[in-house]
Amino acid sequence: NAGVTQTPKFQVLKTGQSMTLQCAQDMNHNSMYWYRQDPGMGLRLIYYSASEGTTDKGEVPNGYNVSRLNKREFSLRLESAAPSQTSVYFCASSETAGGYQPQHFGDGTRLSIL
Amino acid sequence: RKEVEQDPGPFNVPEGATVAFNCTYSNSASQSFFWYRQDCRKEPKLLMSVYSSGNEDGRFTAQLNRASQYISLLIRDSKLSDSATYLCVVNPGTDSWGKLQFGAGTQVVVTP
Repeated sequence: NAGVTQTPKFQVLKTGQSMTLQCAQDMNHNSMYWYRQDPGMGLRLIYYSASEGTTDKGEVPNGYNVSRLNKREFSLRLESAAPSQTSVYFCASSETAGGYQPQHFGDGTRLSIL
Repeated sequence: RKEVEQDPGPFNVPEGATVAFNCTYSNSASQSFFWYRQDCRKEPKLLMSVYSSGNEDGRFTAQLNRASQYISLLIRDSKLSDSATYLCVVNPGTDSWGKLQFGAGTQVVVTP
């Protein structure tokens, strides 16, 4: 079972470039999430989608946009990358939102902004 | 104050020994709790949910203390493969719908 698949695994960008991180899940989950993880800090929620057709801001949404393309796919876009966005990005999904169901994570995208 | 706090460690544990560590949370209305493990440069993986009465899964035991607002994880008969960072995860309640809060993790190193 693939679970949650993220692409790309690694990316290096220059300041000001844009890119989209892709995420797809095959577990028929309704809810999907984007997190970033920085050294010494817990995962921080960027955006989430409780269900197909909805998206909401998390703790650190500035500089990012998202699209819930369909039930399976949830993409994260950096319009003008900044060095402060250097991080490891994780996509996750859960059966429902509300925090009672555990979340399942993809294996991450390591993004460096020069 | 962080919403979810963990001792970063590392906890150095001889193989076969028992290790325990806690996680404190700030929101008394928190609804549900999880422990995840994260190996170096890998994704977090669910270890276990934490139930009000406490629960056990093999060598792992999780406890919840609502009065003091902490959860604990105990690992018995530690294996080398238990070396990882353990993340405490809290659902802060219905007002923060779906927005789980993650601790920064406790590192455990099991030595031969």
